[in-house]
Amino acid sequence: AQSVTQLDSHVSVSEGTPVLLRCNYSSSYSPSLFWYVQHPNKGLQLLLKYTSAATLVKGINGFEAEFKKSETSFHLTKPSAHMSDAAEYFCVVTLNQAGTALIFGKGTTLSVSS
Amino acid sequence: GAVVSQHPSWVICKSGTSVKIECRSLDFQATTMFWYRQFPKQSLMLMATSNEGSKATYEQGVEKDKFLINHASLTLSTLTVTSAHPEDSSFYICSARLRTAANTGELFFGEGSRLTVL
Repeated sequence: AQSVTQLDSHVSVSEGTPVLLRCNYSSSYSPSLFWYVQHPNKGLQLLLKYTSAATLVKGINGFEAEFKKSETSFHLTKPSAHMSDAAEYFCVVTLNQAGTALIFGKGTTLSVSS
Repeated sequence: GAVVSQHPSWVICKSGTSVKIECRSLDFQATTMFWYRQFPKQSLMLMATSNEGSKATYEQGVEKDKFLINHASLTLSTLTVTSAHPEDSSFYICSARLRTAANTGELFFGEGSRLTVL
């Protein structure tokens, strides 16, 4: 069965320091994986996606994620956090090969302090 | 990029009122739209999948008579919360799937609609 686990419900970093948001998945096939960001009272915005091409995926706002099949992980990173990065981040995996449904992780709240 | 627009973005209503939320794909056709509900500090909960021209598929535990979904065209889906009560207060988000042959599962999300029922 497909599942996605975000290992940290809350991550706090200082501005200018690296960001690591962890995500592990379980899938019976090669899934598509996504990271979405949600700012308060806003909809979701796609940060990046993995769809069986390059394993290191670069997204918007300096974020990137690496698909590691052996570790079933898709961790999100950014070299230097900015105050505007404070938001909720969701790791998402396709439920089936047709991609007709998505499973959301429970989310990780990123706090950035000055 | 593809844009999904929701309207209204915030609605406050009295208990017993029915409220309609619109979800539009502005620059693409969406064969499938999804409706989610999000409680404070929680993840999104899929309520239903809406396919153009057919009845919506509701997730277990979601009352179809309470949450009426209509997907009348390839660019518009509506969610009507009938006889809203305070427990229906929530953030409702729609998403749309781009209608292309290469279906990677990517969804485009609306900005969300906040419903407050007094």
